[in-house]
Amino acid sequence: EDKVVQSPLSLVVHEGDTVTLNCSYEVTNFRSLLWYKQEKKAPTFLFMLTSSGIEKKSGRLSSILDKKELFSILNITATQTGDSAIYLCAVREGNAGNMLTFGGGTRLMVKP
Amino acid sequence: DARVTQTPRHKVTEMGQEVTMRCQPILGHNTVFWYRQTMMQGLELLAYFRNRAPLDDSGMPKDRFSAEMPDATLATLKIQPSEPRDSAVYFCASGPGLGSPLHFGNGTRLTVT
Repeated sequence: EDKVVQSPLSLVVHEGDTVTLNCSYEVTNFRSLLWYKQEKKAPTFLFMLTSSGIEKKSGRLSSILDKKELFSILNITATQTGDSAIYLCAVREGNAGNMLTFGGGTRLMVKP
Repeated sequence: DARVTQTPRHKVTEMGQEVTMRCQPILGHNTVFWYRQTMMQGLELLAYFRNRAPLDDSGMPKDRFSAEMPDATLATLKIQPSEPRDSAVYFCASGPGLGSPLHFGNGTRLTVT
């Protein structure tokens, strides 16, 4: 069974829209949740979340974690075409060293 | 700007041939990972090293895949013999230690015909 599930699978919006991407997880010894953005090549790191309820913010992107309900959201406000990418959520478990388990990703397309 | 370097960027080969992919982790990073990405399966972990020692390779088909770290600056992933179902993008990632984000290379796009 999948440990990290992302939704929606894909999303098409227009510039200026706000989007919310979801990531739910089910692991036995949660340590942290990470968000990555993947354009054409390497996934690039966005956020790492370890505590519930504390929002991480970077420009138009923000993310928050709910450890009780086992999910995280990634918000992008005032979307731009450059936000088009696959957004990956990954979870690190405490008994798995530094290993990350990835969700299937959300493919976001922002149209002009 | 330190980055993970992977070679080759692209590889096209015929089934049955040996494929070797190389990765130079960021200097000072002591954890190295190999992931495979396909449309169907997303990012799957193949192997994981810490301080050059293999910690987890349960995601790797043992009969044909092998991963090594001959030294701290080089990680290799070999497939012998390769099969069409191995076609994917293979990513190497490194990290400075427990609890830190991983940094990914640009990947090797492998096509096995």
